[in-house]
Amino acid sequence: AQKVTQAQTEISVVEKEDVTLDCVYETRDTTYYLFWYKQPPSGELVFLIRRNSFDEQNEISGRYSWNFQKSTSSFNFTITASQVVDSAVYFCALSQTGANNLFFGTGTRLTVIP
Amino acid sequence: DTGVSQDPRHKITKRGQNVTFRCDPISEHNRLYWYRQTLGQGPEFLTYFQNEAQLEKSRLLSDRFSAERPKGSFSTLEIQRTEQGDSAMYLCASSKTGDNEQFFGPGTRLTVL
Repeated sequence: AQKVTQAQTEISVVEKEDVTLDCVYETRDTTYYLFWYKQPPSGELVFLIRRNSFDEQNEISGRYSWNFQKSTSSFNFTITASQVVDSAVYFCALSQTGANNLFFGTGTRLTVIP
Repeated sequence: DTGVSQDPRHKITKRGQNVTFRCDPISEHNRLYWYRQTLGQGPEFLTYFQNEAQLEKSRLLSDRFSAERPKGSFSTLEIQRTEQGDSAMYLCASSKTGDNEQFFGPGTRLTVL
């Protein structure tokens, strides 16, 4: 069985604050992929990052960074110096190796207040 | 690269009517996926095509749902005898073979009255 938990339903921050979105996953597989997607008000899911289970290196892309820890089954996402354009729903997702579908969490709605 | 496109973007129908949605994937992508997203939830997998072959169907895909990808390019998702519970956003995604990075379209929002 696989499960993705995003315990934070909604978060509000003031512009320029840092914010971390939590993602905890469950899977019996030893190899898998983790993803983050952004869904702005327009509705289209935008791919942000993919991580395979063998690569625990943290990654930074501009103001975005991701912290993958297998020991705690977590794949957290941090936005540094948040901006109003970061306001969206963010989804964490899991894909088992060889599987053809993504299994999504329920999402975290981030509101950045100017 | 024009991205994944879906048509229509919005559909309002009465209960019991049939509806059909279309998805055009990214041109070099031979994998195509359909997902359903209800309010406040993440997308849920419905079905998947490799070229024209439908290789996987979720238990969410009841007998009233049918999907096709006749020439391995665009795909259609038909819902027969719609019910109010079918109201949702229907998302299409595509990817290359061997690459599980899926690119999503803007979705079709279905409202069943």
